[in-house]
Amino acid sequence: GQQLNQSPQSMFIQEGEDVSMNCTSSSIFNTWLWYKQEPGEGPVLLIALYKAGELTSNGRLTAQFGITRKDSFLNISASIPSDVGIYFCAGQLSSNTGKLIFGQGTTLQVKP
Amino acid sequence: GAVVSQHPSRVICKSGTSVKIECRSLDFQATTMFWYRQFPKQSLMLMATSNEGSKATYEQGVEKDKFLINHASLTLSTLTVTSAHPEDSSFYICSADTTGGFYDIQYFGAGTRLSVL
Repeated sequence: GQQLNQSPQSMFIQEGEDVSMNCTSSSIFNTWLWYKQEPGEGPVLLIALYKAGELTSNGRLTAQFGITRKDSFLNISASIPSDVGIYFCAGQLSSNTGKLIFGQGTTLQVKP
Repeated sequence: GAVVSQHPSRVICKSGTSVKIECRSLDFQATTMFWYRQFPKQSLMLMATSNEGSKATYEQGVEKDKFLINHASLTLSTLTVTSAHPEDSSFYICSADTTGGFYDIQYFGAGTRLSVL
């Protein structure tokens, strides 16, 4: 089945540093979504991307939909302790069943 | 923004009992909702797609008689774990799909932690 390869698996950084994570796939996606999940909670939508090449920002977060439609990255600038959590990429295939394919997640820890 | 409410947030039950989890879209209508299961330190695993007014579509390996899904209205889907056993203990999360226009986005509930004794 389709898979999303998300990297890195985990990151431990100093407060104030920038963070970058990405997802790649062998399949073409119509939509890329980035979610953040905190312990014991459901994922919260951060950024949604709809067009190849699209670059979208949400505060300190920036994400891009790769031009090949097979990849996406998420950057977090000037990290703060509350950025701690698990970040998931998710893609929706062009078959448009509505189903999302999730990456394995990137666990982010920020040292004050 | 779109809000999805999931209830209960935590349930502890004895083995053999059935547990019902509700998923509601509070400020939008959702013809499609999804049910996921998540094990510790793992990603979300799709269990089934819940369609309003029709039968749910289950992913391969998910027992439909074990995990009963009902999507009776455009704002409510329920997942019933029947005759729960300890191996069913997990974090269950629902999502609701906004279908306004061309782009679909899934918004998630806060999850239900099920512990079967």
